[in-house]
Amino acid sequence: DTGVSQDPRHKITKRGQNVTFRCDPISEHNRLYWYRQTLGQGPEFLTYFQNEAQLEKSRLLSDRFSAERPKGSFSTLEIQRTEQGDSAMYLCASSLVAVETQYFGPGTRLLVL
Amino acid sequence: SQQGEEDPQALSIQEGENATMNCSYKTSINNLQWYRQNSGRGLVHLILIRSNEREKHSGRLRVTLDTSKKSSSLLITASRAADTASYFCATARFSGGGADGLTFGKGTHLIIQP
Repeated sequence: DTGVSQDPRHKITKRGQNVTFRCDPISEHNRLYWYRQTLGQGPEFLTYFQNEAQLEKSRLLSDRFSAERPKGSFSTLEIQRTEQGDSAMYLCASSLVAVETQYFGPGTRLLVL
Repeated sequence: SQQGEEDPQALSIQEGENATMNCSYKTSINNLQWYRQNSGRGLVHLILIRSNEREKHSGRLRVTLDTSKKSSSLLITASRAADTASYFCATARFSGGGADGLTFGKGTHLIIQP
């Protein structure tokens, strides 16, 4: 499968714990995006990378959230001290520079108890 | 924040009928895209229309864009059961979908009755 992959697909955690999600983009894509989607809503942009550089962060990305993309390949999104309001689907997408179509992964569904 | 609204929020039609969904947005855009999401899964890109285009076709899909009204419509002709999904419009302010990523609406949930 040469599409965008995300791991894990599901995560259940207790409030206050840290969680980390991984995204592997399509191999030749140099842009990588993170979105969050809550039930009944459309995805909301969190942040994006061009190669290893994090170029934009939404104000939704609180200090408890951090994203990295070492070496411009896979990316990780970490949430520290999780809160119940963090429960959502976290979606990763990738694209080529100057090509508007974004290719989405299957998402990681997070439930914070 | 959500860019705008899809209308209707939910739509149920018989297989074979046409389905029309509308999207409104608030800010100036470079392009508008439509995505489909099957229950609990990732999004699939359907079609993109640029701000200088008024209509675009792809298979059974037809998209229109009216930048003066800041609105777009997606028409699916000859619907099939497999078209059952949520449909989202998404806008990009800049070419290449860069800064700020895509801004999505809340979606229209389409149900095709067999």
